[in-house]
Amino acid sequence: EAQVTQNPRYLITVTGKKLTVTCSQNMNHEYMSWYRQDPGLGLRQIYYSMNVEVTDKGDVPEGYKVSRKEKRNFPLILESPSPNQTSLYFCASSLMRGGRHEQFFGPGTRLTVL
Amino acid sequence: AQSVTQLGSHVSVSEGALVLLRCNYSSSVPPYLFWYVQYPNQGLQLLLKYTSAATLVKGINGFEAEFKKSETSFHLTKPSAHMSDAAEYFCAVSVGPGTASKLTFGTGTRLQVTL
Repeated sequence: EAQVTQNPRYLITVTGKKLTVTCSQNMNHEYMSWYRQDPGLGLRQIYYSMNVEVTDKGDVPEGYKVSRKEKRNFPLILESPSPNQTSLYFCASSLMRGGRHEQFFGPGTRLTVL
Repeated sequence: AQSVTQLGSHVSVSEGALVLLRCNYSSSVPPYLFWYVQYPNQGLQLLLKYTSAATLVKGINGFEAEFKKSETSFHLTKPSAHMSDAAEYFCAVSVGPGTASKLTFGTGTRLQVTL
Protein backbone atom coordinates (compact mmCIF):
# COMPACT_ATOMS: atom_id res chain seq x y z
CA GLU A 1 0.00 0.00 0.00
CA ALA A 2 1.33 3.42 -0.99
CA GLN A 3 1.74 5.47 2.14
CA VAL A 4 3.62 8.00 4.21
CA THR A 5 4.35 6.90 7.76
CA GLN A 6 5.34 9.01 10.73
CA ASN A 7 6.54 8.08 14.18
CA PRO A 8 5.69 8.71 16.88
CA ARG A 9 2.03 9.70 16.51
CA TYR A 10 1.97 11.38 19.90
CA LEU A 11 4.84 12.83 21.90
CA ILE A 12 5.02 14.76 25.14
CA THR A 13 8.42 16.13 26.05
CA VAL A 14 10.09 18.86 28.07
CA THR A 15 11.82 22.02 26.99
CA GLY A 16 15.33 21.44 25.68
CA LYS A 17 15.20 17.67 25.24
CA LYS A 18 16.24 16.82 21.71
CA LEU A 19 13.77 14.77 19.69
CA THR A 20 13.38 13.32 16.21
CA VAL A 21 10.17 12.63 14.32
CA THR A 22 10.66 10.10 11.57
CA CYS A 23 8.97 10.14 8.17
CA SER A 24 9.12 7.47 5.50
CA GLN A 25 7.41 7.04 2.12
CA ASN A 26 7.26 3.99 -0.12
CA MET A 27 6.27 5.68 -3.39
CA ASN A 28 9.77 6.56 -4.62
CA HIS A 29 8.84 10.25 -4.48
CA GLU A 30 11.56 12.84 -5.00
CA TYR A 31 9.89 15.64 -3.04
CA MET A 32 9.24 15.54 0.69
CA SER A 33 8.10 18.22 3.05
CA TRP A 34 7.29 18.96 6.68
CA TYR A 35 4.36 21.12 7.80
CA ARG A 36 3.02 22.26 11.11
CA GLN A 37 -0.68 22.81 11.65
CA ASP A 38 -1.93 25.30 14.20
CA PRO A 39 -5.53 26.44 14.82
CA GLY A 40 -6.48 29.35 12.60
CA LEU A 41 -3.19 29.26 10.72
CA GLY A 42 -3.67 26.28 8.43
CA LEU A 43 -0.58 24.39 7.32
CA ARG A 44 2.75 26.13 7.23
CA GLN A 45 5.79 24.59 5.61
CA ILE A 46 8.84 24.05 7.80
CA TYR A 47 11.38 22.46 5.45
CA TYR A 48 11.32 20.63 2.17
CA SER A 49 13.59 18.40 0.14
CA MET A 50 13.76 18.18 -3.63
CA ASN A 51 15.87 15.01 -3.57
CA VAL A 52 18.55 13.19 -1.61
CA GLU A 53 20.95 15.63 0.07
CA VAL A 54 18.91 18.61 -1.22
CA THR A 55 16.95 20.44 1.47
CA ASP A 56 15.72 24.00 1.87
CA LYS A 57 13.84 26.18 4.31
CA GLY A 58 10.11 26.67 4.13
CA ASP A 59 8.13 29.44 5.75
CA VAL A 60 8.78 28.63 9.43
CA PRO A 61 12.17 26.85 9.71
CA GLU A 62 13.44 28.35 12.98
CA GLY A 63 14.15 25.73 15.64
CA TYR A 64 14.03 22.78 13.25
CA LYS A 65 16.53 20.70 11.29
CA VAL A 66 16.08 18.06 8.62
CA SER A 67 18.19 15.63 6.67
CA ARG A 68 17.64 13.55 3.53
CA LYS A 69 20.25 10.82 3.37
CA GLU A 70 17.95 8.33 1.68
CA LYS A 71 15.16 8.96 -0.78
CA ARG A 72 12.47 7.38 1.36
CA ASN A 73 13.27 9.02 4.72
CA PHE A 74 13.01 12.64 5.84
CA PRO A 75 13.34 13.02 9.62
CA LEU A 76 12.48 16.24 11.45
CA ILE A 77 14.81 17.15 14.29
CA LEU A 78 14.14 19.54 17.16
CA GLU A 79 17.50 20.13 18.83
CA SER A 80 16.11 22.12 21.75
CA PRO A 81 12.30 22.09 21.72
CA SER A 82 10.36 24.99 23.20
CA PRO A 83 6.68 25.30 24.15
CA ASN A 84 5.92 27.34 21.01
CA GLN A 85 6.74 24.23 18.99
CA THR A 86 3.74 22.47 20.47
CA SER A 87 1.78 21.64 17.34
CA LEU A 88 0.50 18.99 14.95
CA TYR A 89 3.16 18.00 12.43
CA PHE A 90 2.66 16.44 9.02
CA CYS A 91 5.11 14.92 6.63
CA ALA A 92 4.16 14.86 2.95
CA SER A 93 5.64 13.58 -0.28
CA SER A 94 4.98 14.00 -3.98
CA LEU A 95 6.51 12.97 -7.26
CA MET A 96 7.94 16.45 -7.75
CA ARG A 97 7.58 19.83 -6.12
CA GLY A 98 4.75 22.13 -7.09
CA GLY A 99 2.74 22.33 -10.24
CA ARG A 100 -0.06 19.84 -10.60
CA HIS A 101 1.48 17.22 -8.34
CA GLU A 102 -0.65 15.92 -5.51
CA GLN A 103 0.97 15.69 -2.09
CA PHE A 104 0.47 12.56 0.02
CA PHE A 105 0.34 13.15 3.75
CA GLY A 106 1.31 11.10 6.75
CA PRO A 107 -1.12 10.64 9.67
CA GLY A 108 0.44 13.40 11.75
CA THR A 109 2.45 13.68 14.95
CA ARG A 110 0.96 15.60 17.85
CA LEU A 111 3.80 17.15 19.84
CA THR A 112 3.46 18.78 23.24
CA VAL A 113 6.46 20.59 24.72
CA LEU A 114 6.13 21.35 28.43
CA ALA B 1 2.95 36.13 -4.46
CA GLN B 2 0.17 33.59 -4.43
CA SER B 3 -2.33 33.27 -1.62
CA VAL B 4 -5.61 31.58 -0.86
CA THR B 5 -8.49 32.73 1.34
CA GLN B 6 -11.14 30.47 2.78
CA LEU B 7 -14.23 32.35 3.91
CA GLY B 8 -15.69 30.91 7.09
CA SER B 9 -13.60 28.91 9.51
CA HIS B 10 -16.69 26.93 10.55
CA VAL B 11 -19.67 25.89 8.43
CA SER B 12 -22.64 23.94 9.74
CA VAL B 13 -25.22 22.23 7.52
CA SER B 14 -28.02 19.75 8.06
CA GLU B 15 -27.72 16.25 6.71
CA GLY B 16 -29.08 16.25 3.15
CA ALA B 17 -28.47 19.98 2.64
CA LEU B 18 -26.15 21.60 0.12
CA VAL B 19 -22.53 21.99 1.14
CA LEU B 20 -20.74 25.12 -0.08
CA LEU B 21 -17.20 25.88 1.09
CA ARG B 22 -15.64 29.02 -0.32
CA CYS B 23 -12.13 29.52 -1.61
CA ASN B 24 -10.66 32.54 -3.36
CA TYR B 25 -7.13 32.69 -4.67
CA SER B 26 -4.70 35.39 -5.63
CA SER B 27 -2.28 34.71 -8.46
CA SER B 28 -0.89 36.70 -11.35
CA VAL B 29 -0.55 33.60 -13.52
CA PRO B 30 -2.84 30.60 -14.08
CA PRO B 31 -2.84 28.51 -10.92
CA TYR B 32 -3.24 24.88 -10.02
CA LEU B 33 -5.89 24.54 -7.30
CA PHE B 34 -6.54 21.77 -4.83
CA TRP B 35 -9.02 20.80 -2.16
CA TYR B 36 -7.80 18.52 0.61
CA VAL B 37 -9.88 16.97 3.39
CA GLN B 38 -8.72 16.09 6.88
CA TYR B 39 -10.84 13.66 8.88
CA PRO B 40 -10.38 13.60 12.67
CA ASN B 41 -7.00 12.24 13.74
CA GLN B 42 -5.89 11.70 10.17
CA GLY B 43 -3.63 13.33 7.62
CA LEU B 44 -4.86 15.31 4.65
CA GLN B 45 -6.06 13.55 1.52
CA LEU B 46 -6.79 14.95 -1.89
CA LEU B 47 -10.45 15.58 -2.76
CA LEU B 48 -9.93 17.09 -6.19
CA LYS B 49 -7.64 19.32 -8.21
CA TYR B 50 -7.87 21.82 -11.04
CA THR B 51 -5.11 21.66 -13.62
CA SER B 52 -6.70 23.72 -16.43
CA ALA B 53 -8.20 20.75 -18.30
CA ALA B 54 -11.81 21.54 -17.31
CA THR B 55 -13.33 24.26 -15.16
CA LEU B 56 -15.74 21.91 -13.38
CA VAL B 57 -13.80 19.32 -11.46
CA LYS B 58 -15.33 16.25 -9.90
CA GLY B 59 -13.70 14.64 -6.90
CA ILE B 60 -14.22 11.81 -4.49
CA ASN B 61 -17.27 11.33 -2.24
CA GLY B 62 -19.58 13.38 -4.48
CA PHE B 63 -17.71 16.66 -4.15
CA GLU B 64 -17.03 19.01 -7.03
CA ALA B 65 -15.53 22.45 -7.53
CA GLU B 66 -15.75 25.02 -10.27
CA PHE B 67 -12.85 27.21 -11.32
CA LYS B 68 -14.05 30.74 -12.08
CA LYS B 69 -11.24 32.91 -13.34
CA SER B 70 -13.32 36.10 -13.40
CA GLU B 71 -14.11 35.67 -9.71
CA THR B 72 -10.74 34.11 -8.77
CA SER B 73 -12.71 31.42 -6.97
CA PHE B 74 -12.65 27.66 -6.58
CA HIS B 75 -15.61 26.89 -4.31
CA LEU B 76 -16.27 23.33 -3.17
CA THR B 77 -19.82 21.95 -3.32
CA LYS B 78 -21.74 18.80 -2.62
CA PRO B 79 -25.49 18.56 -3.32
CA SER B 80 -26.40 16.55 -0.24
CA ALA B 81 -24.35 16.45 2.95
CA HIS B 82 -23.75 13.22 4.80
CA MET B 83 -22.71 12.81 8.41
CA SER B 84 -19.44 11.28 7.20
CA ASP B 85 -18.54 14.58 5.48
CA ALA B 86 -17.79 16.20 8.84
CA ALA B 87 -14.12 17.14 8.59
CA GLU B 88 -11.78 20.03 7.99
CA TYR B 89 -11.31 21.15 4.40
CA PHE B 90 -8.30 22.97 3.02
CA CYS B 91 -8.02 24.85 -0.24
CA ALA B 92 -4.51 25.15 -1.69
CA VAL B 93 -2.89 26.91 -4.65
CA SER B 94 0.25 26.17 -6.61
CA VAL B 95 1.55 28.58 -9.19
CA GLY B 96 3.93 27.72 -12.01
CA PRO B 97 4.61 24.44 -13.78
CA GLY B 98 8.07 23.82 -12.52
CA THR B 99 9.81 22.86 -9.34
CA ALA B 100 10.18 26.52 -8.43
CA SER B 101 6.51 26.61 -7.50
CA LYS B 102 5.17 25.81 -4.04
CA LEU B 103 1.88 24.77 -2.52
CA THR B 104 0.19 27.38 -0.32
CA PHE B 105 -2.69 26.34 1.95
CA GLY B 106 -5.66 28.28 3.22
CA THR B 107 -6.48 28.34 6.91
CA GLY B 108 -9.15 25.66 6.61
CA THR B 109 -12.92 25.35 7.05
CA ARG B 110 -14.37 22.95 9.57
CA LEU B 111 -17.60 21.40 8.30
CA GLN B 112 -20.16 20.25 10.83
CA VAL B 113 -23.10 18.12 9.69
CA THR B 114 -26.14 17.94 11.95
CA LEU B 115 -29.18 15.66 11.95
